[in-house]
Amino acid sequence: GESVGLHLPTLSVQEGDNSIINCAYSNSASDYFIWYKQESGKGPQFIIDIRSNMDKRQGQRVTVLLNKTVKHLSLQIAATQPGDSAVYFCAEEGTSGTYKYIFGTGTRLKVLA
Amino acid sequence: KAGVTQTPRYLIKTRGQQVTLSCSPISGHRSVSWYQQTPGQGLQFLFEYFSETQRNKGNFPGRFSGRQFSNSRSEMNVSTLELGDSALYLCASSYRELGAGELFFGEGSRLTVL
Repeated sequence: GESVGLHLPTLSVQEGDNSIINCAYSNSASDYFIWYKQESGKGPQFIIDIRSNMDKRQGQRVTVLLNKTVKHLSLQIAATQPGDSAVYFCAEEGTSGTYKYIFGTGTRLKVLA
Repeated sequence: KAGVTQTPRYLIKTRGQQVTLSCSPISGHRSVSWYQQTPGQGLQFLFEYFSETQRNKGNFPGRFSGRQFSNSRSEMNVSTLELGDSALYLCASSYRELGAGELFFGEGSRLTVL
């Protein structure tokens, strides 16, 4: 498949610290990217999105950075809280107009009290 | 506003059987996508529908099919089930007609094939 996830990397952070979750995407022509959060037993939930004509976008406690040169996305969560514990996925629309998203393998975020 | 609703939430089938999963999108959303989620392969795109037309299909065998009705509700069907079809099947809706847009996911239908 286009997105193979054999092992789910885990990021453990102390409550109150900042978290940075990274993602490498596959298609240099991708125009639109989304970060999703998935809690156990639930469907993915939208966090923030960014278009390829931007390098950075900020939301409430979250920032997404896009580096098109190396095809890299990162999600920064400020002042991480226990409720942030979940699996985080980046997704790219592979080619504009395909209506199809390619998801990264995901990163599990564990917030330590 | 109600979210994306998927039924059934859990089901168990045996090899060779078939299954139909249902998805009701958010009111006003005309695009519905389906994804398969497994521990080994992550989230894989199955298909996307808009106004009853399939606009794209993922790399899955012909046993996987879907359709969308005039009220935007969608169903997907898997025939001749195999053990490897055990997965969480996620439906997502979007208000976007053209181009990219946020996907709103349902809670999923967890299928176990024995």
